[in-house]
Order: sequence, then C-alpha cells, then structure tokens
Amino acid sequence: RKEVEQDPGPFNVPEGATVAFNCTYSNSASQSFFWYRQDCRKEPKLLMSVYSSGNEDGRFTAQLNRASQYISLLIRDSKLSDSATYLCVVTNNYGQNFVFGPGTRLSVLP
Amino acid sequence: EAGVTQFPSHSVIEKGQTVTLRCDPISGHDNLYWYRRVMGKEIKFLLHFVKESKQDESGMPNNRFLAERTGGTYSTLKVQPAELEDSGVYFCASSQLRSWTDPGELFFGEGSRLTVL
Repeated sequence: RKEVEQDPGPFNVPEGATVAFNCTYSNSASQSFFWYRQDCRKEPKLLMSVYSSGNEDGRFTAQLNRASQYISLLIRDSKLSDSATYLCVVTNNYGQNFVFGPGTRLSVLP
Repeated sequence: EAGVTQFPSHSVIEKGQTVTLRCDPISGHDNLYWYRRVMGKEIKFLLHFVKESKQDESGMPNNRFLAERTGGTYSTLKVQPAELEDSGVYFCASSQLRSWTDPGELFFGEGSRLTVL
C-alpha cells in the first residue's frame, strides 16, 4: 500500500463547479499535512497547509481527520486557472521529510 | 529574493555517461531535499540535508547516485554511470528549519529533466 493515496482522477469540471479531492495516508504518526499544486511541466507549489480544525483560504477549504487518516480539499466556484495537478503531502513520523501522493489532475472547462 | 535554482534545466546523455545536477537553495535555508519524478509516477524522496549533513538518504536508489552539499550551501547530485531508468525530473527543494518536527514550507526549484538514451 502506498504511503499517500489520492483520487486517481482526472477530474473534468465546468467553470463555477465545486470539486472535492480526497487523500488518505497510512502512517498514523504523520505530523503535518499540505496540499501542493503543480502546473504542467512546472514545480510543485504550496497551496495550503491543513490543520486539524480545518482551514479555509478563499475558495479553498482543507479538512483533516486524523482518526480516519484522511485529508480533503474542496474548491468552490472553479476557475480555468485552477486547472493543475493537486498533490497531497504529509510529513513522516520524524516530521522532517515530505511524502507526496501521486496527485489528482483537475481540468476546469469553459 | 531569489528562489531555488537548478542547473541544468534539461540534460540528455547516453547510458553509461555521468551527469551532475546542481541546486542552489534559497539563502538561509538549512533544509535541502532532492526528489525525483519518473514519468507517470509520484514524486519520490531521494535525500535530505540539514546544512551540510545528510539527514536521511534512504530514498537514494543505489550507489550510482551521490549527493553532496559542501559548506551547507549549494548541493550537487551526481549519477554515475547513468542508466535508462534514471530518466525523470529531479527536483530540489529547500525550507527554513523551524524545529525538528516542523521543517517549514517547501520551496521547489523548476527541476532538472534528465533523459538517458
């Protein structure tokens, strides 16, 4: 079993739609959680950290359920510019290394 | 402020040759990571430096890969001799160490694409 698993995708949604991505992780000692975004042929960039209480940044909402070892990302009112691959990232039990999920590709269509 | 820079951006070599990739992290970042993305696969950890010390090199595929970080500044990743399966994009990332359990936000370079023929 992979350490971090994500919805396989791709997700093709119309502009304005709401889309949700799911992620599960296997290491119960993982300490920090993130969503990164990677545009085609570009480097990953931090989208947002994920906190236990859940957090929101504009149209983006992240949730963490430690008991279920599950992380989610909700994007509301999708824009064309949201088209990218979304990477779920967790730190390992030493908190020093980042483990990446395979990513879920999103295409927002006009 | 300059971001993480990597060189070369793309390298095409033949099987058996040697390639050295370079990474200049953001100034002041003690953490430096190397990752690799092979076509169609997820980004995989290779190794982690804290300053000039190798903190974790458990992701290095084999002894054909050698990473160094002299003086705790830039880092090099040498592949010698290169094999076909080494093809992929090698990402370097750096972060500012906050605590031993909080490595800080990762900032990535644009990657070095390696093609082994």
